[in-house]
Amino acid sequence: GNSVTQMEGPVTLSEEAFLTINCTYTATGYPSLFWYVQYPGEGLQLLLKATKADDKGSNKGFEATYRKETTSFHLEKGSVQVSDSAVYFCALSVLSSGTYKYIFGTGTRLKVLA
Amino acid sequence: EAGVTQFPSHSVIEKGQTVTLRCDPISGHDNLYWYRRVMGKEIKFLLHFVKESKQDESGMPNNRFLAERTGGTYSTLKVQPAELEDSGVYFCASSQDRQGQQYFGPGTRLTVT
Repeated sequence: GNSVTQMEGPVTLSEEAFLTINCTYTATGYPSLFWYVQYPGEGLQLLLKATKADDKGSNKGFEATYRKETTSFHLEKGSVQVSDSAVYFCALSVLSSGTYKYIFGTGTRLKVLA
Repeated sequence: EAGVTQFPSHSVIEKGQTVTLRCDPISGHDNLYWYRRVMGKEIKFLLHFVKESKQDESGMPNNRFLAERTGGTYSTLKVQPAELEDSGVYFCASSQDRQGQQYFGPGTRLTVT
């Protein structure tokens, strides 16, 4: 079946540290891949996406590359800020029963300390 | 352009009571989805409307949950009677096309005591 596995949190980093949040997936076909972020007290916001193999999604200094050979979509940022503290969700979109469903990982909580 | 809105933002009810959650999609979006995140686990698909019709309700957990979208605009999700395991965050999303990007609302946090 279709699934997303992302690293357990919480992840605690100091400001300006390098961030990697691992995400691997299992899917039939060629899904689109996403990273969503949920800041404290807010809803889910799309952070970045990639729709085909080798695509790189990027936004706000975050990057992720669609790696079909390793079925991965790891999220990276070179220098995190306190304002990046949030929960990050990896997701894929898959067509099933006529509906494009989003399959999410369990979320990784990131805490950045000043 | 207004985003997806959900009401209430937080609801606390006792086991056995009824709760109705509301979602207003982005204007002009025919596709509306409900998802939920229970106990800090993954966010899971519940169902999909195309206008007022249910396209896919394979994720609805049981018959205590009833979703409607009369007139093809806003949607409601009723839980009756609520159980403890229904606690979680319920997200609504909408998209213009079936395969288009889904835009999520802020969620309703439901606590059943």
